[in-house]
Amino acid sequence: SQQGEEDPQALSIQEGENATMNCSYKTSINNLQWYRQNSGRGLVHLILIRSNEREKHSGRLRVTLDTSKKSSSLLITASRAADTASYFCATDASNTDKLIFGTGTRLQVFP
Amino acid sequence: GAVVSQHPSRVICKSGTSVKIECRSLDFQATTMFWYRQFPKQSLMLMATSNEGSKATYEQGVEKDKFLINHASLTLSTLTVTSAHPEDSSFYICSVPGGLGQTNEKLFFGSGTQLSVL
Repeated sequence: SQQGEEDPQALSIQEGENATMNCSYKTSINNLQWYRQNSGRGLVHLILIRSNEREKHSGRLRVTLDTSKKSSSLLITASRAADTASYFCATDASNTDKLIFGTGTRLQVFP
Repeated sequence: GAVVSQHPSRVICKSGTSVKIECRSLDFQATTMFWYRQFPKQSLMLMATSNEGSKATYEQGVEKDKFLINHASLTLSTLTVTSAHPEDSSFYICSVPGGLGQTNEKLFFGSGTQLSVL
């Protein structure tokens, strides 16, 4: 399966702490994206990083990409209770128009 | 960004009945829409790519006669789960590509439909 794998599967932290999630994938990609999903809802696009980029920032989000290791990380700084959600990485599948989603990390931020 | 409306948000049906789920792109035309399925606490699995005016492209292992997709207009795609069985109970989500250039950049998702088959 080309599906990416994320770790940890679940993460619990206190408000104010940083949260780091990792994603590994198997094939070459054009870009990697991160999405957020609140329980029982659709997904919301957070950030896209292209294969020729190594790091990208958006507000409290920082994404890194290491194509040699086929891995990416999402860092959420100064977390808030409202950041509680599942986070998924997604990669484009072998130059097709499909997105393949990772297994997800369930983040719980306690106030 | 694109606004995607998906209905119904929740449906409970008896085994053997058919259920139709609608996905509408409210503010721009979408020649392609994607349908995903998600089991509890698991990832999204792509079921099929809906193409306006032509047949949908199904992923390996997805029964096209079981999951009927119709993309009759540039703003509406429907997924019909035919002769539903309890194992079809799942969360179904549609998405619309919103990125410039390649269709896989930045998907906009509907709010999902929780299907429960009794």
